[in-house]
Amino acid sequence: DAGVTQSPTHLIKTRGQQVTLRCSPKSGHDTVSWYQQALGQGPQFIFQYYEEEERQRGNFPDRFSGHQFPNYSSELNVNALLLGDSALYLCASSWTSGGAAEQFFGPGTRLTVL
Amino acid sequence: AQSVTQPDIHITVSEGASLELRCNYSYGATPYLFWYVQSPGQGLQLLLKYFSGDTLVQGIKGFEAEFKRSQSSFNLRKPSVHWSDAAEYFCAVGAEYGNKLVFGAGTILRVKS
Repeated sequence: DAGVTQSPTHLIKTRGQQVTLRCSPKSGHDTVSWYQQALGQGPQFIFQYYEEEERQRGNFPDRFSGHQFPNYSSELNVNALLLGDSALYLCASSWTSGGAAEQFFGPGTRLTVL
Repeated sequence: AQSVTQPDIHITVSEGASLELRCNYSYGATPYLFWYVQSPGQGLQLLLKYFSGDTLVQGIKGFEAEFKRSQSSFNLRKPSVHWSDAAEYFCAVGAEYGNKLVFGAGTILRVKS
């Protein structure tokens, strides 16, 4: 049973560019959440997708957007990259329809903005 | 709003010694509480969770945590630490099923031989 997978593993971009990160949830899971973890900090909630809709959003600007596909996989898009967007981006999946609260995390995508 | 405080940024313990990592949360209702562990450059692995019922919960790798509502705490414990336990530990609180998690800043555990 594959866990949560994310691609790419590492990414280097320059300021002003756009980036797309991808996430495949754990088998049987229907909900995907995205978190940003800056160096030396705990993860910060960006948003959550369920039934292809954004269900909840954290305190992040509109430059951060996402999408969930019918197969439950998800993308995180960040436009107009800033140096401060450099971080580890974590995807987590859970099973909302099954009433399960725990979230399972992928290995993350390390984004460096130069 | 939910919040989590992990008062200790770094903790160093000797291998074989006992461990307690502190976590205090702020939330108006009964929280869903979690402990995760993160090795360098890796994602987060769930150690244990508390939703309701018995306030002492057992997790993987010999860890346990106790929920104390009166102290708004959910401290993580292990009776005997192994060198492989060296990692960063995060406490998190969630509001309801599948809802967002709010994390503490983490505690870095170092194990000395």
